[in-house]
Amino acid sequence: EAGVVQSPRYKIIEKKQPVAFWCNPISGHNTLYWYRQNLGQGPELLIRYENEEAVDDSQLPKDRFSAERLKGVDSTLKIQPAELGDSAVYLCASSLPGAGQGSGKQYFGPGTRLTVT
Amino acid sequence: AQTVTQSQPEMSVQEAETVTLSCTYDTSESDYYLFWYKQPPSRQMILVIRQEAYKQQNATENRFSVNFQKAAKSFSLKISDSQLGDAAMYFCAYRSATRGAQKLVFGQGTRLTINP
Repeated sequence: EAGVVQSPRYKIIEKKQPVAFWCNPISGHNTLYWYRQNLGQGPELLIRYENEEAVDDSQLPKDRFSAERLKGVDSTLKIQPAELGDSAVYLCASSLPGAGQGSGKQYFGPGTRLTVT
Repeated sequence: AQTVTQSQPEMSVQEAETVTLSCTYDTSESDYYLFWYKQPPSRQMILVIRQEAYKQQNATENRFSVNFQKAAKSFSLKISDSQLGDAAMYFCAYRSATRGAQKLVFGQGTRLTINP
């Protein structure tokens, strides 16, 4: 079974430029998460999708960050414009349907390391 | 809001020895899940072990086991017979069992070094 796929693995951009990250979850996983992991810290949730609906985006900085999951499968996270403080690893995770009452297991992708110069 | 604290930024152990990583959490809920994730330099978060709060029995997965103390809100990870491949960052995480509250709350991590 293929795991969560993310691209690119690395991205270096200048501040004020836009950037986008892509995630393909495990087949059959209807819940998708985007986390941000700052250096030396644990990941923090940015947004969670149930199918194509964003059900928890309270931690997403909506002035510059946006996300979409149009067909309830792949997702894209965008930053425009990027700031120096956005340098971090952006992790995507997915889980099975009914995980809210089930095992709670989330499976992570390898992440995208963003460096803003 | 729930919080997770890992008080050991770094730990080291000799290969084949046993090491215990500490984790405490704060919550007012009675039903939840606790996890230990491993993050090697490749950055992929790998689930090591999971504990359901309503189960008194401590979870075990091969060389990995936990000591879950619900009253003390403590959830430590014991790694037995440490191997070089165990070297990584280890994160403790909490997840509410409440429907719709599925986000993981992570601690700050513990960097584990295995000395050959």
